[in-house]
Amino acid sequence: EVQVVESGGGLVQPGRSLRLSCTTSGFTFGDYAMSWFRQAPGKGLEWVGFVRSKHYGGTTEYAASVKGRFSISRDDSKSIAYLQMNSLKIEDTAVYYCARHNGYFFDYWGQGTLVTVSS
Amino acid sequence: QSALTQPRSVSGSPGQSVTISCTGTSSDVGGYNYVSWYQQHPGKAPKLMIYDVSKRPSGVPDRFSGSKSGNTASLTISGLQAEDEADYYCCSFAGSYTLYVFGIGTKVTVL
Repeated sequence: EVQVVESGGGLVQPGRSLRLSCTTSGFTFGDYAMSWFRQAPGKGLEWVGFVRSKHYGGTTEYAASVKGRFSISRDDSKSIAYLQMNSLKIEDTAVYYCARHNGYFFDYWGQGTLVTVSS
Repeated sequence: QSALTQPRSVSGSPGQSVTISCTGTSSDVGGYNYVSWYQQHPGKAPKLMIYDVSKRPSGVPDRFSGSKSGNTASLTISGLQAEDEADYYCCSFAGSYTLYVFGIGTKVTVL
């Protein structure tokens, strides 16, 4: 059974950093890209970025709204993807989800972790 | 890149059919056959319902179907059931710069 679990959310002050983890099991993690998303309170889904599999260079892509502040990495030995968030802004407050990126869609999602940016 | 346009809400009685539209541009929906649809119940994670415009993952009931015409994709739920009441989001690949764009979401209400 495929499982995806996000962790690391919490309350953080504007300008500070936070790292989220996405721990997976039930599939060959190294064969897949992994994507991150967010959903601000009462709002819709927003794609944040993804990390390709090592087969495709392990390179990353980001939404314009987070480019230069957020970075995604992966540890295939632990089946974990990370989202490093720097220079956080109040508008980054959201539930953050990760999902397995399969082709051009996202087939297994975690339950999300809440990040609140507030002073 | 603007969000894809979806109706804010649609509703139907049990057993009826409802269709949710998802309108983009030739740079996203119209340019690629990479539209996917996600169902989200309140407080829950999104669930993949349709991918690559019209393909249904294993385990998704066949009363969910997807299609596309020009810059507009559609999700149809036939034989509406109470458990189908949820928010639905479309998503499209939008090329190598923007990559992925979501719709604003549609709330489906079962009357």
